[in-house]
Amino acid sequence: DTGVSQDPRHKITKRGQNVTFRCDPISEHNRLYWYRQTLGQGPEFLTYFQNEAQLEKSRLLSDRFSAERPKGSFSTLEIQRTEQGDSAMYLCASSASYEQYFGPGTRLTVT
Amino acid sequence: AQSVAQPEDQVNVAEGNPLTVKCTYSVSGNPYLFWYVQYPNRGLQFLLKYITGDNLVKGSYGFEAEFNKSQTSFHLKKPSALVSDSALYFCAVRWSGTYKYIFGTGTRLKVLA
Repeated sequence: DTGVSQDPRHKITKRGQNVTFRCDPISEHNRLYWYRQTLGQGPEFLTYFQNEAQLEKSRLLSDRFSAERPKGSFSTLEIQRTEQGDSAMYLCASSASYEQYFGPGTRLTVT
Repeated sequence: AQSVAQPEDQVNVAEGNPLTVKCTYSVSGNPYLFWYVQYPNRGLQFLLKYITGDNLVKGSYGFEAEFNKSQTSFHLKKPSALVSDSALYFCAVRWSGTYKYIFGTGTRLKVLA
């Protein structure tokens, strides 16, 4: 069991650029979640996949955010036209049931 | 609106004493409740959950939590704190009919030697 991995671990980008993050879940987990976490806050739900289907998406998620899980395995989260307010830790979690297993996160800094 | 609250930003307890980290929630439908722990420079780790059944649930590292429906609470407890329990603790809730989880703002637990 190699756990949930995320790539890259850190990303610095300029405002207006697009960024893409990757998440590799635990192999037997069919459920995958993306969260955003800022300093002093708990993780904020962004979206949920069951296999390749995106079943739930936060209303807070703007049109600049999109996520995919094309074959029900790894997932990508893309942010277009980044803004300074997008600076945060982006967490991925996978699950086979109720409890989630989190990756180490990708820290995004928008300058 | 659905919500979860952790009223204490920080809890200090002496090693060997019992500890309690508080969590209350407000959701429509049946709640599913969770505790996670975050150690410095490490990812969130699952501690325990309540889905249904016995109101007292036991989890990793000697932690337990009690689901109280009338008080809409799910406080985390441990009979005897260790210095190594010092970390950031998050309560989370999901409710029937959704896959979305809401996390609290976290409580920093400091166990003093």
